[in-house]
This record gives sequence, structure tokens and C-alpha cells, in this order.
Amino acid sequence: NAGVTQTPKFQVLKTGQSMTLQCAQDMNHEYMSWYRQDPGMGLRLIHYSVGAGITDQGEVPNGYNVSRSTTEDFPLRLLSAAPSQTSVYFCASSYSRGAGGYTFGSGTRLTVV
Amino acid sequence: GQQVMQIPQYQHVQEGEDFTTYCNSSTTLSNIQWYKQRPGGHPVFLIQLVKSGEVKKQKRLTFQFGEAKKNSSLHITATQTTDVGTYFCALHTGANSKLTFGKGITLSVRP
Repeated sequence: NAGVTQTPKFQVLKTGQSMTLQCAQDMNHEYMSWYRQDPGMGLRLIHYSVGAGITDQGEVPNGYNVSRSTTEDFPLRLLSAAPSQTSVYFCASSYSRGAGGYTFGSGTRLTVV
Repeated sequence: GQQVMQIPQYQHVQEGEDFTTYCNSSTTLSNIQWYKQRPGGHPVFLIQLVKSGEVKKQKRLTFQFGEAKKNSSLHITATQTTDVGTYFCALHTGANSKLTFGKGITLSVRP
């Protein structure tokens, strides 16, 4: 099993550009989430999904869209990148209600200039 | 919504010293999870605590859930340089059990 795979690992965007961060898991996990990590702010939840076709907003959803058409994939779309979205983005997945903990991807380091 | 507090954000210890950190909430928690993130890495799940007063051990790490389920502690015995990293506590909140993290404590160990 590959676990949780995030691509790309690094990305530089210009202000106003759009892009999609990819996340895929091969563990048949129901729950998937996107977090952003900024210095001193910990991990903040952007969007999450409890199954295919079901998504909901987290703590900091503005400027981001998600969809969950399959159990395996949970892409995060930046609609119009802003410097405030410069961050490290982590995708994570878990079995129902996360009793066994979440498995994280290795992250995408995004810089918006 | 429910939140957990982790204070301080940084702690420095001498190798071989013990280390304890706490995760505190103003409300009763249904469960608490702990994660470790090495520098430059991603968070890795360590443990989940569910029962009041529960204690779980992983080698030199001891995790405890408070009797009132409003706090949790992580104790590391005889720290090593491999313990360096940021330790987060996290809890499930809401009907869909989304996972919310504390801000973490970054541990540095002087050899």
C-alpha cells in the first residue's frame, strides 16, 4: 500500500492563478481531510469528507474548493491564489470516525508570489 | 466549538531529562489523539485515548487521559535526540467527527 499520496510536493504560483492539489489513498478510508500548516498556527482544517459525494467545510475554507467523486481521491482546488495561501498543505485519511488515527500524506509546500 | 490548548509552544530539554506536556480543554472530551511531527515531516498518529483515567504506554512515552476527560498528558522518560519534533493533541468534534488539532508543542533536545 502506498498510503496517502500527495502531488505535487512543491509548487510556486503567481497571485491569481488557480491549481489543484492532488490527494489519493489506497486504504479504502472513508474519511479524508485537508489541513494547512503555518508557523505558530498548528494544523488548521480546510475541508473534510466522510465519504464519496459528501464534503463539508472546516475552520478555514475560504478560497478553496473540494469534491469527492471516488473513495480514493480528494483534490483541493485553489480558485485564485493569494499570498496568504502560502503554506504547507497536508491531506489525511482515516477509517470511520478516525478511531485508528489519521494517516497523513507527505505534504505540498505551496508558495504564492 | 471544542478546542484544546497546548502551552507552551516550545520546550527545550537536556538529553536524558524527562519531559511532560499537557493538552487542556474547558469542556469534556469524548476522546483525544496524539500525533508527532518530525522537522520537515508530516504528522504521524501515536495514540488514541477514550476512557476516563486511561493510561497507555509506548516504550518511553506514557499517555494519560484525565479523570474528568478535560485534559491529557504526554510524558517522555529519559528524552533522546530522536524525540525531537512537534507533538500535537487532537480531538474529534461535531456530528461528522472532524479532527481538530491543538497548536502543538515543539520539543528540542540538547545532546
